[in-house]
Amino acid sequence: QKEVEQNSGPLSVPEGAIASLNCTYSDRGSQSFFWYRQYSGKSPELIMFIYSNGDKEDGRFTAQLNKASQYVSLLIRDSQPSDSATYLCAVRVSTNAGKSTFGDGTTLTVKP
Amino acid sequence: NAGVTQTPKFQVLKTGQSMTLQCAQDMNHNSMYWYRQDPGMGLRLIYYSASEGTTDKGEVPNGYNVSRLNKREFSLRLESAAPSQTSVYFCASLPGHTLNTEAFFGQGTRLTVV
Repeated sequence: QKEVEQNSGPLSVPEGAIASLNCTYSDRGSQSFFWYRQYSGKSPELIMFIYSNGDKEDGRFTAQLNKASQYVSLLIRDSQPSDSATYLCAVRVSTNAGKSTFGDGTTLTVKP
Repeated sequence: NAGVTQTPKFQVLKTGQSMTLQCAQDMNHNSMYWYRQDPGMGLRLIYYSASEGTTDKGEVPNGYNVSRLNKREFSLRLESAAPSQTSVYFCASLPGHTLNTEAFFGQGTRLTVV
């Protein structure tokens, strides 16, 4: 089992819809959870991170964390064609705090 | 403010050749990391330097060496390149080796080994 698993994708949604991206992790010592967006041929850029159970909202983006279920998700409301990218979930554990383990990513396409 | 700068951006090597990938950051960050990304996959950690003067292995260190030259610079060396090392390499820096700090990535080096 991979340490961090994401929806295999690709995921396609119409413009204006809600896109839901999911990530599960195996290490119960995981403390911090990051969502990165990566456009084709570019480097990852941070969208948001979360470390407490519950929801965290930033504009059109909401991260949801459930540590008991070892699950973190990213919701994108009012999806735009410019949101079309690969989304990477990354996890850090307290025993090696700066080291991130990444999932393989989910590719999202938003169709006009 | 340049952030994290990697050189070169592209490189083609023959099997058995050696090369060094350079990474420099101007944000006064303590921690620096080298990742590789293969097609359709996430980033895998090769080596990292939690602070100046220290380096540690990540998930996939075989075939690589690193040097933390000073606080700004962290280089990755391939001593004898193999086709399996064809990948995109990303350098990242963090203010510190801690849980809740943002990683800043360089633009990547696309390496092909033939």
